[in-house]
Amino acid sequence: DAGVIQSPRHEVTEMGQEVTLRCKPISGHDYLFWYRQTMMRGLELLIYFNNNVPIDDSGMPEDRFSAKMPNASFSTLKIQPSEPRDSAVYFCASSSRPLLTDTQYFGPGTRLTVL
Amino acid sequence: SQQGEEDPQALSIQEGENATMNCSYKTSINNLQWYRQNSGRGLVHLILIRSNEREKHSGRLRVTLDTSKKSSSLLITASRAADTASYFCAWDDMRFGAGTRLTVKP
Repeated sequence: DAGVIQSPRHEVTEMGQEVTLRCKPISGHDYLFWYRQTMMRGLELLIYFNNNVPIDDSGMPEDRFSAKMPNASFSTLKIQPSEPRDSAVYFCASSSRPLLTDTQYFGPGTRLTVL
Repeated sequence: SQQGEEDPQALSIQEGENATMNCSYKTSINNLQWYRQNSGRGLVHLILIRSNEREKHSGRLRVTLDTSKKSSSLLITASRAADTASYFCAWDDMRFGAGTRLTVKP
């Protein structure tokens, strides 16, 4: 298996633009997680899905952030409009079991820079 | 992290030495995991320890858990330059510690 795939790996955009991050989980994994990592706040769980359904989105910072999972093999995290403080590395992870009961497999991350 | 801490924030040792990193958390937990992150990469799972376990081994890794003190430690024995990375603990609802940056000098 190729592991969790994220695209793009790097994204540079200007403030106010829409940003869409993409993730393909490991086949057969029922759980998908989106994280954000910054120097100031460390690694934060934003939202997670089970069987394509959002279960907990309490970590989503504000309404500018939205996430979807239209099918078992694809998820998006969208920021609209983007702001400089959104600059971070965004990770997607997948798992075959719920939170912290088993290994999560992380993608390589998308480094987002908002100018 | 507001949910817990790891110490030290940074650790620099010579190859062959042991490295110990600590993690403290604030809530009751069911499980605790340790992850490793190489610079510019995603996190890689190392080991999971359940709340009813006190110690667990995996190769050169040894993890202990003290639920009374709400703390865990990760010991890497006979360190190698390739162990250079950041190490994070995570508990129940995937709250992460701030991480320890380990540098192993050849």
